[in-house]
Amino acid sequence: GNSVTQMEGPVTLSEEAFLTINCTYTATGYPSLFWYVQYPGEGLQLLLKATKADDKGSNKGFEATYRKETTSFHLEKGSVQVSDSAVYFCALSGGTDKLIFGTGTRLQVFP
Amino acid sequence: DAGVIQSPRHEVTEMGQEVTLRCKPISGHNSLFWYRQTMMRGLELLIYFNNNVPIDDSGMPEDRFSAKMPNASFSTLKIQPSEPRDSAVYFCASSPGQGGSPLHFGNGTRLTVT
Repeated sequence: GNSVTQMEGPVTLSEEAFLTINCTYTATGYPSLFWYVQYPGEGLQLLLKATKADDKGSNKGFEATYRKETTSFHLEKGSVQVSDSAVYFCALSGGTDKLIFGTGTRLQVFP
Repeated sequence: DAGVIQSPRHEVTEMGQEVTLRCKPISGHNSLFWYRQTMMRGLELLIYFNNNVPIDDSGMPEDRFSAKMPNASFSTLKIQPSEPRDSAVYFCASSPGQGGSPLHFGNGTRLTVT
């Protein structure tokens, strides 16, 4: 069945450091891929998405490229800020409404 | 757009009591989802509805849990009787109902069962 695997956290970085959070997936067909972010005390918010191979999703300085050959959708940001501290979830949709989420990766950014 | 609205934000109850969580999806969204989030298990899909009809309830943990969607603008998740292991944050989410659409989450209900 469909599944998502993402790196365990926490990821701890200094402000302005480069961020990568790895995400790989297993799916039949051509899923849509998503990154969600959850700030403390809030629900998940869509950060970015990509719907087909080689698409790049981007938002707020974050980027992720849909790599079918490596079944990956790694999240990157060139220079993180303290305000980026949150939990990040990778997810996929196999063509239905249902989203399959990874376990989440906590990011902590220190000044 | 008010977003997905959940109530209450916090619920503290004693073991054995009935708990009802409420959700109002975004107007015009055809799909509604209930998730549970815990440290141990992460984010689990409990049930989802499309056009008010339950499509997949395979994530509902046991018969103590039930969910209804009597109309397009309201859903409830009920736990009866509640147990301490039900303590978690429960999220409701909605989407337009087209495959591959993103979900819009509410801010969740933090349930504590003592």
